[in-house]
Amino acid sequence: GAVVSQHPSWVICKSGTSVKIECRSLDFQATTMFWYRQFPKQSLMLMATSNEGSKATYEQGVEKDKFLINHASLTLSTLTVTSAHPEDSSFYICSATGTTNTGELFFGEGSRLTVL
Amino acid sequence: RKEVEQDPGPFNVPEGATVAFNCTYSNSASQSFFWYRQDCRKEPKLLMSVYSSGNEDGRFTAQLNRASQYISLLIRDSKLSDSATYLCVVNPPGYSSASKIIFGSGTRLSIRP
Repeated sequence: GAVVSQHPSWVICKSGTSVKIECRSLDFQATTMFWYRQFPKQSLMLMATSNEGSKATYEQGVEKDKFLINHASLTLSTLTVTSAHPEDSSFYICSATGTTNTGELFFGEGSRLTVL
Repeated sequence: RKEVEQDPGPFNVPEGATVAFNCTYSNSASQSFFWYRQDCRKEPKLLMSVYSSGNEDGRFTAQLNRASQYISLLIRDSKLSDSATYLCVVNPPGYSSASKIIFGSGTRLSIRP
């Protein structure tokens, strides 16, 4: 099946710094990528939808200036958590759909962010 | 009311038992339904889609009840490796099945030897 790779798998940073998470589709062109956040024992919450070459669409309550999403190519989307704070500590997961779409979303392995 | 609701569990059952989960959804116009499995600290993986006529994949059976707006997952002859969180996923109307989807909070299943 299609492969989506996410990097880094975990990151620890100091409060106030920015962290970039990459999401790559390895064997297909991802026209649309989705970014989710999951707090412990809670559901995945969609943060934003990004289409290649256009601005991301953010879900209600998600600050677009804090969570910068770039989808500049058909194989790469990045999420940058700017000025991270401890409450941003979470599991961030991307998913992608595109040229091999079969109705299934393919997820990256997730990135666990801990902000000290 | 949440768009997708699940019993969080945990369900703790012995190996070999049969276990069933239900999931309710609020939007009667929803068209696509799925069960995903998520292991601890891992990404969700598609377990099976849920079709109107019900469908079976080995030890797993999924059912859809549109009148009562719920879907179910039945696991027969449970294995230790079935221990995971099972996520109910629903497609809101107006979106293709590969775009916006809504996750339930998940039901935790633990299989004991």
